[in-house]
Amino acid sequence: AIRMTQSPSSFSASAGDRVTITCRASRGISNYLAWYQQKSGRAPKLLIYGATTLQSGVPSRFSGSGSGTDFTLTINYLQSEDFATYYCQQYYDYPRTFGQGTKVEFK
Amino acid sequence: QVQLQESGPGLVKPSGTLSLTCAVSGGSISSSTISSSYWWSWVRQPPGKGLEWIGEIYHSGSANYNPSLESRVTISVDKSKNQFSLKLSSVTAADTAVYYCTRVFMVAGGGYYYYGMDVWGQGTTVTVSS
Repeated sequence: AIRMTQSPSSFSASAGDRVTITCRASRGISNYLAWYQQKSGRAPKLLIYGATTLQSGVPSRFSGSGSGTDFTLTINYLQSEDFATYYCQQYYDYPRTFGQGTKVEFK
Repeated sequence: QVQLQESGPGLVKPSGTLSLTCAVSGGSISSSTISSSYWWSWVRQPPGKGLEWIGEIYHSGSANYNPSLESRVTISVDKSKNQFSLKLSSVTAADTAVYYCTRVFMVAGGGYYYYGMDVWGQGTTVTVSS
């Protein structure tokens, strides 16, 4: 199975910050990557697919980049509702696999 | 707008079978368009841990499973009831988790392939304990 590794596992940030989360695949996955946001006690929400395509309704302060093995999720001007855990997921191969998650906490 | 709702026992005894159903409302489980198709999947999350993909099914019955669970998992679809189901046999405490059902869209075209779990149920907690 393709292993997805996110970094960091958690960090603190302030409202208004620009934050970047990294996801690395154990082998090349082209741009077959999605990002999800999960708030405490809630189901995950799809943010980005195809590594860079924003899901309908997702604010434009979220953006994704990367191809091959290295990907990033960037949140510009972090807002209070963005404090959550973020997961990357590859769909290049079966089984679909997720990163371990990155928790963004309020500083 | 499609909505998903999981249902099933919240407590299962060790060595028993976990059975969950996901009811689809606001749309047909058989819906697809010329450019995209919808699959239906199960994802679980043990307490305090990350997400694990269990498997997915198309309305035709074609399914893909996680090899780590494949010997114990069956996902089925009931088009007449507009729902799909998960069965996980020989459960242990390690199967204790929140189980989510999701809709998966797949879009493929000239040089691109998009996939995403765009609709999620609220999740249901299943505890394996005697």
